[in-house]
Amino acid sequence: EAGVAQSPRYKIIEKRQSVAFWCNPISGHATLYWYQQILGQGPKLLIQFQNNGVVDDSQLPKDRFSAERLKGVDSTLKIQPAKLEDSAVYLCASSQRLAGNYEQYFGPGTRLTVT
Amino acid sequence: RKEVEQDPGPFNVPEGATVAFNCTYSNSASQSFFWYRQDCRKEPKLLMSVYSSGNEDGRFTAQLNRASQYISLLIRDSKLSDSATYLCVVNDPNAGNNRKLIWGLGTSLAVNP
Repeated sequence: EAGVAQSPRYKIIEKRQSVAFWCNPISGHATLYWYQQILGQGPKLLIQFQNNGVVDDSQLPKDRFSAERLKGVDSTLKIQPAKLEDSAVYLCASSQRLAGNYEQYFGPGTRLTVT
Repeated sequence: RKEVEQDPGPFNVPEGATVAFNCTYSNSASQSFFWYRQDCRKEPKLLMSVYSSGNEDGRFTAQLNRASQYISLLIRDSKLSDSATYLCVVNDPNAGNNRKLIWGLGTSLAVNP
């Protein structure tokens, strides 16, 4: 079974530039998550999709971050404009929609450096 | 109080040692508990779920104490390959059916030869 795919793996941009990340979840996983992980911290949920609908984006800085999952499969996360404090690893995860199943499967992440 | 608290460490132990990590959570309504492992510059992966009765998987034992709202992870006979960050994870009971997890900062373990 193929895992969660993410691209790019690394990205270096200057502040005020834009950047986009792509995620392809495990086939059949209805729930998709985007996390931000800053060095030395645990993952912080940015947005959660159930199929193509948003179920939680309470911690997404909506003035600069946006995400979509148009067909309920792939997802993109965009930052525009980037700030220095956005330097982090952006992790995509997916899970099955089964009763009591909380296990999340993560992609390798995109390491973003904002200079 | 943080929703999930862990001692960040680092824990430095020799090979073969037994090491234990604790984690506390703030919402007594949480029902699901996990330990994830994260290797350096890698993504988190589920190590084990934590059940009310406690559970064991080889050298790893997880315990849950609901009264005190803490979770523990015990690693026996530590191996060099156990060196990683161990993340304590708890479900957010306020998220209903949305399966939202709350993540601790992680505890860093270094097993030395």
